[in-house]
Amino acid sequence: SQQGEEDPQALSIQEGENATMNCSYKTSINNLQWYRQNSGRGLVHLILIRSNEREKHSGRLRVTLDTSKKSSSLLITASRAADTASYFCATDAGGTSYGKLTFGQGTILTVHP
Amino acid sequence: DGGITQSPKYLFRKEGQNVTLSCEQNLNHDAMYWYRQDPGQGLRLIYYSQIVNDFQKGDIAEGYSVSREKKESFPLTVTSAQKNPTAFYLCASSILGRDIQYFGAGTRLSVL
Repeated sequence: SQQGEEDPQALSIQEGENATMNCSYKTSINNLQWYRQNSGRGLVHLILIRSNEREKHSGRLRVTLDTSKKSSSLLITASRAADTASYFCATDAGGTSYGKLTFGQGTILTVHP
Repeated sequence: DGGITQSPKYLFRKEGQNVTLSCEQNLNHDAMYWYRQDPGQGLRLIYYSQIVNDFQKGDIAEGYSVSREKKESFPLTVTSAQKNPTAFYLCASSILGRDIQYFGAGTRLSVL
């Protein structure tokens, strides 16, 4: 079963605008990660946030985590056409499941030049 | 070049045939994973291995088999028991105790 549910399923914006994607999950987690996938390619890791963190930044990326609501958001600021890709959240439940990631269904982001 | 190499990029399976997907890594990672991705969907875990000669079933292991005879290699066999094998297959690896996974470029399997 999918741990993470993402919304929106698809997002279309103009270059320079901000893009926000949300992820909800069901069970407690050790960490939550965001990955990017260009069409027909493998996934690339973007950012990881641990369960005791609330916000993290990396370049134009900002991730928040609300463990009380079991949700996370990924913000891409000043988007570029090259940001066009699918974005997935993945949760690591830790414990005996340590290292196993459960992926959401993804958000397809299209950035128009 | 360090990384994960999956081959072939495209693979076709005939009815009743077993096919093997290759995954090799030169990152010296202990853990390796196989995922299946269907169109418009996220990744689902098939098998994973944390050490040589040991592997565990993931969420959708039925119809698949793996081996881990060497640290750098984790081949996946799609058996004839897998009735719906058409999908994009991704291999990943990670350092044990670290959380980030590194992915190969994938193998797209289709049925003839």
